[in-house]
Amino acid sequence: DAGVIQSPRHEVTEMGQEVTLRCKPISGHDYLFWYRQTMMRGLELLIYFNNNVPIDDSGMPEDRFSAKMPNASFSTLKIQPSEPRDSAVYFCASRPSGPSTDTQYFGPGTRLTVL
Amino acid sequence: LAKTTQPISMDSYEGQEVNITCSHNNIATNDYITWYQQFPSQGPRFIIQGYKTKVTNEVASLFIPADRKSSTLSLPRVSLSDTAVYYCLVGRVTDKLIFGTGTRLQVFP
Repeated sequence: DAGVIQSPRHEVTEMGQEVTLRCKPISGHDYLFWYRQTMMRGLELLIYFNNNVPIDDSGMPEDRFSAKMPNASFSTLKIQPSEPRDSAVYFCASRPSGPSTDTQYFGPGTRLTVL
Repeated sequence: LAKTTQPISMDSYEGQEVNITCSHNNIATNDYITWYQQFPSQGPRFIIQGYKTKVTNEVASLFIPADRKSSTLSLPRVSLSDTAVYYCLVGRVTDKLIFGTGTRLQVFP
């Protein structure tokens, strides 16, 4: 298995532009998570899905952020408009269902820089 | 979700055993203890998970005392490649994971 795939790996954009981050979870995994990591705030959970349905979006910082999961193999995190304080590494993770594990498998991350 | 407390940083030398202790005084009955490892420029990686007593895998051991209010991750004979941030997480299997600040382990030659 290729693991969790994220694209792009690096994104540099200007303030006010729309940014779309993409994630392909591991096949067969029912849960998908979006995290953001910065030096100041550490690793924060933004939102997670179960079977393509958003379960908890309480970590989404504001209305400029939105996430979708149109099918089991694809999710997007969109920031519109972007701001310099959104600069961070964004990770996507997935995990299978089942009571015996909560192991999450993380992607390589997307490093976002907003100028 | 139980709050965890772990040292901000630790230093070690190659070949030594490293023990990282995590405090979780308000752990609930159904909570598991999970450790993740994160290398620079990579996403966190699952290391080990346990509920009570001792768990061992090819990477580490996890020691959990009877009261479960703390846990210790043990890395035997560390190498330079073990330099990373180690996160202790506590929660039910179905809960979302909350990552704290972690422990930054630096291994020296």
